[in-house]
Amino acid sequence: QLVQSGGGLVAPGEQLRLSCTASGFSFPTYWMHWVRQVPGKGLQWVARIRGDGTAIEYADSVKGRFTISRDNAKKTVDLQMKSLRVDDSAVYFCGRMLTPQDPFDVWGQGTMVTVAS
Amino acid sequence: SYDLTQPVSVSVALSQTATISCGGNNIGEKHVHWYQQKPGLAPVLVIYKDSIRPSGIPERFSGSNSGNTATLTITGAQDEDEADYYCHVWDTATEVFGGGTKVTVL
Repeated sequence: QLVQSGGGLVAPGEQLRLSCTASGFSFPTYWMHWVRQVPGKGLQWVARIRGDGTAIEYADSVKGRFTISRDNAKKTVDLQMKSLRVDDSAVYFCGRMLTPQDPFDVWGQGTMVTVAS
Repeated sequence: SYDLTQPVSVSVALSQTATISCGGNNIGEKHVHWYQQKPGLAPVLVIYKDSIRPSGIPERFSGSNSGNTATLTITGAQDEDEADYYCHVWDTATEVFGGGTKVTVL
C-alpha cells in the first residue's frame, strides 16, 4: 500500500513537498516513481529512484526544479518541487515498479497540487 | 522521444468486444503495460508485459503486441469496464504513456 501526503495550493515560484509512505512490502526492493495527471488529461511520468537510491531520472519538464529522494528506513519517497509553475498543477501519484521492464503495480491515492496566483 | 498513439475514444455495446490500440515505432520490441482508470481514482494495472493478466483482473481482458501496434481487448464488455485506458512502455530511462482512450459501454 502507498499512502500519499502533501499537496495543496501554492503561488508560482514557490515550493512544495510531496511524500509517499509504503507498507506491506519490501520497500528497498522497488523503484519508486512519481507520475502526474492534469485533471481531464493523460498520465505524465515525472521522476524515478532506484531501490538503493543510487539511480535517479527526471522528465525534462521538471529537471533542475524537482528532486526525488527516498528513506528506506522510514519507507518513504518524497518529491521536493521548487520554482513551481502554473503548468505543474496536477494530481501527483506515487507508484512502485520492480524493475524498469515491469509495470506500475501499486499506486498511491493521488494528491492535488495547484499552482496559482 | 518515443511517442505512443491511442484513439481518443472507443464505444462498445454491452457484452460485445472492444479493442484499444497503442501505436509506437517498433513497439513489438518493447514490453507494453495497460492501465484502467476511473474518475477520481488511481490507475489500475489490467495487463502487463503485453499479455499477462494480474491476479484479480477478469479474463475478458487480454493483450497482444506486434510490429508497431499493441492492443488491449475487452471481450464481453461490462458496464464496469467504462473507464479510461492507458498504455505504457519504458524507453531509454523514460516512462512513456499513451494519451489514453475513453471506453464507453453502450
